[in-house]
Amino acid sequence: GEDVEQSLFLSVREGDSSVINCTYTDSSSTYLYWYKQEPGAGLQLLTYIFSNMDMKQDQRLTVLLNKKDKHLSLRIADTQTGDSAIYFCAENPIDGGSQGNLIFGKGTKLSVKP
Amino acid sequence: NAGVMQNPRHLVRRRGQEARLRCSPMKGHSHVYWYRQLPEEGLKFMVYLQKENIIDESGMPKERFSAEFPKEGPSILRIQQVVRGDSAAYFCASSPSRNEQFFGPGTRLTVL
Repeated sequence: GEDVEQSLFLSVREGDSSVINCTYTDSSSTYLYWYKQEPGAGLQLLTYIFSNMDMKQDQRLTVLLNKKDKHLSLRIADTQTGDSAIYFCAENPIDGGSQGNLIFGKGTKLSVKP
Repeated sequence: NAGVMQNPRHLVRRRGQEARLRCSPMKGHSHVYWYRQLPEEGLKFMVYLQKENIIDESGMPKERFSAEFPKEGPSILRIQQVVRGDSAAYFCASSPSRNEQFFGPGTRLTVL
């Protein structure tokens, strides 16, 4: 079956690193995504990784993929108060016959304390 | 290049009324996806459309819900005879292919 799991809450201090974790079950997924949602807003695509990659870095964001364990993580370096939001992990199981619709986790609420 | 546009941003309906939600994809994007987000939940896929075609509606409730993406104009998600359980945020995403989806700001539907 297809399921994406995330822890619901994470609290860090400003300036620390944040690590948000996600596990997925569909082994045929080709793309895995991280989205950010601020209160009352839509989803902002932060970054995504192709399933033949282990790591992707983009400025303060680092994505790590352990395909064997089906584990995806998002590391935010030097976390700022503006990073406070809900972060969604999503998978795109195209190889499984799907048409590209994303499967989302329930989101991790990141709180950054000054 | 404007982002994905959705309107209205907030919609209030009484039980039994109809709700129409509109989505204008980004310029050049021919793929449109609709998702529903219940309170404290992630997004759940509803339907995937290309121009004039429904490609995948496996996430759409069988009754009262319909979607279209005409040759001209926005994509429409239509909910007939709304019930309180339809209250949610409805998001549209557009994509130039199947690999990157860009989301609109959402329509928050409240059914009284």
